[in-house]
Amino acid sequence: EPEVTQTPSHQVTQMGQEVILRCVPISNHLYFYWYRQILGQKVEFLVSFYNNEISEKSEIFDDQFSVERPDGSNFTLKIRSTKLEDSAMYFCASGYRQESYEQYFGPGTRLTVT
Amino acid sequence: GQNIDQPTEMTATEGAIVQINCTYQTSGFNGLFWYQQHAGEAPTFLSYNVLDGLEEKGRFSSFLSRSKGYSYLLLKELQMKDSASYLCAVVTGGGNKLTFGTGTQLKVEL
Repeated sequence: EPEVTQTPSHQVTQMGQEVILRCVPISNHLYFYWYRQILGQKVEFLVSFYNNEISEKSEIFDDQFSVERPDGSNFTLKIRSTKLEDSAMYFCASGYRQESYEQYFGPGTRLTVT
Repeated sequence: GQNIDQPTEMTATEGAIVQINCTYQTSGFNGLFWYQQHAGEAPTFLSYNVLDGLEEKGRFSSFLSRSKGYSYLLLKELQMKDSASYLCAVVTGGGNKLTFGTGTQLKVEL
C-alpha cells in the first residue's frame, strides 16, 4: 500500500539554523499539507499546497517558513531561522481529490531546537 | 474562530463499547474526520462524515449531526490495542485544511 514518507525521522538543530524537512507524498496525490504537533498539544495546520502554489496558510506559517515542490516527488518545508518554540513533530500529508478530503499522514519528523 | 471540543481522557474495559464525543463551531464545514494516534506516531484515518447520520466500518462507527455541530466515534469490542488518542478534525477552507481538537486519550483496561 502506498504511503507518505518523511526524512529525517529526527532532526536536532541549534537555534538560528535553517532546517529543511522532506516529504515524499503518495505518487498520484495532488494536494499536500504540513502540520505540526508540539509535545502534548493538538495537531496544528501550517500550510496547504496545490498546483505548485500555497492554497492556505495559518498564522503560524510566517516569513520564516516556506514550502517547495522542487521536482515531481518531493515536498519540502524550510524553516529559515529556527527558534526554540519550533521544536515539534512535523507531519506531512497528501490527498488525491478535492472532494474526498481524506489526507494521508506521513510518520513525522521530530524537530528539536536547542 | 474555530473551536473543537472533546473530552481529554476516557477509560473503558476490554470488550466493552465506548463513545467519544466531539462538538465543533467552525467557520465553514466540508466534513469531519476521526483519526487514531498512538504516542509518537502519525494520525491514522478512521472515518469521514460529511452528511448527517451514522457511518459504520467494522468495530468503529461515526455519527454526525451538522445542525448540532456534533459528532461521536463509537468503538465496539474494545481491545487493548485501541488504547490511543482519538482526534476529531473538521475540514474547512478552500485549502481543505484540517482543524483538530485536542484529542481524547482512551485507556482500555482489563
